[in-house]
Amino acid sequence: EIVLTQSPGTLSLSPGERATLSCRASQSVSSNYLAWHQQKPGQAPRLLIYGASSRATGIPDRFSGSGSGTDFTLTISRLEPEDFAVYYCQHYGGSLWTFGQGTKVEI
Amino acid sequence: EVQLVESGGGFVHPGGSLTLSCAASGFNFGIYWMQWVRQRPGKGLEWVSHIKGDAISTSYADSVKGRFTISRDNAKNTLFLQISSLRAEDTAVYYCARGGTWATLDYWGQGTLVTVSS
Repeated sequence: EIVLTQSPGTLSLSPGERATLSCRASQSVSSNYLAWHQQKPGQAPRLLIYGASSRATGIPDRFSGSGSGTDFTLTISRLEPEDFAVYYCQHYGGSLWTFGQGTKVEI
Repeated sequence: EVQLVESGGGFVHPGGSLTLSCAASGFNFGIYWMQWVRQRPGKGLEWVSHIKGDAISTSYADSVKGRFTISRDNAKNTLFLQISSLRAEDTAVYYCARGGTWATLDYWGQGTLVTVSS
């Protein structure tokens, strides 16, 4: 079973700054099956990125995903106040879905 | 507009059972994989179960295998999760989600809370 490890656990930044979130897989995975989700307090998660680098419908272009193999990155180019949330990477493989433990982006 | 609305959560004693429902609208429900994902209080997301559009192919996380059963009624655009032999550690918000491109979870419901306590 693939384990996804996200770092850092918490990222303290200010609006306008750049955020770089990491997701490392315990073994090489297909980029097609790597996604990122955003969750704000009290809300359901929302898909941001699928296929490692494709933005989901309605997601602003300040969000970008990259990576391959075991190392993947979610970048928020300029943080807006509404971007402070928890971000989860997610992988699918062999009829199993796996989530990372999350990175909290806080002010 | 894609909408997923969960219901059926509540308070249950250890060893008890519940059936969660997820009413889907705004898309051709019968051709999409569907998922259940849960989130324990203050914790991260945990995938629980999946079912293909044919309602036959399913998979489960090891933590719920043998106790949870996923099913769907494509005529009624509804997804179900029967949860039994409940334990305190099953206390969580349970979300249904649609399986989209590259098997990702592209739309989520608002969740339903299950509380297991004596």
